[in-house]
Amino acid sequence: AQRVTQPEKLLSVFKGAPVELKCNYSYSGSPELFWYVQYSRQRLQLLLRHISRESIKGFTADLNKGETSFHLKKPFAQEEDSAMYYCALRDSGAGSYQLTFGKGTKLSVIP
Amino acid sequence: DSGVTQTPKHLITATGQRVTLRCSPRSGDLSVYWYQQSLDQGLQFLIHYYNGEERAKGNILERFSAQQFPDLHSELNLSSLELGDSALYFCASSLRAGGWETQYFGPGTRLLVL
Repeated sequence: AQRVTQPEKLLSVFKGAPVELKCNYSYSGSPELFWYVQYSRQRLQLLLRHISRESIKGFTADLNKGETSFHLKKPFAQEEDSAMYYCALRDSGAGSYQLTFGKGTKLSVIP
Repeated sequence: DSGVTQTPKHLITATGQRVTLRCSPRSGDLSVYWYQQSLDQGLQFLIHYYNGEERAKGNILERFSAQQFPDLHSELNLSSLELGDSALYFCASSLRAGGWETQYFGPGTRLLVL
């Protein structure tokens, strides 16, 4: 069965410092990986997806199939980046497309 | 608001009771997914409906059921409630049932079982 692991429950960094939120997955097929973000009192929203290879709000993530990782990175953290971040995997071959989420990492950016 | 809406926002009830959570997808979206978020289990997929038909079931208890109506809104019914059912219940919608589509999440319904 697929599984997503986010090893850090909480990550605190200073403003301007680099950020790396770790995500590892286990899946036997071809995964689709996503990062979702939840700002305080707001709904869960898509941050980025591996298929798009895009940079959103300065964040990037590269799928490393060899290491089964999809770490989220940003070179310079901003205070407004403080939020809960969830890594998610979608089973692209199952006929339905539900997401399997990690337990999330709370990012706190210290001014 | 043309996004996903969920009612009620909060629900407090007692063990043994039954509740219904409602989700209205984004305009035009045919798929509705239900997820449960609890402190110990995190966000877990419960069930997926597409255009009125059940597509997939995840970790959904037999005491829970769902349906999607012709107007595409969905309801999640939770019965014989237990303390452990206290959680945040999210629904998400997408246009179709797969592909590379984004799932758009609602604000959630917070259920507290006393």
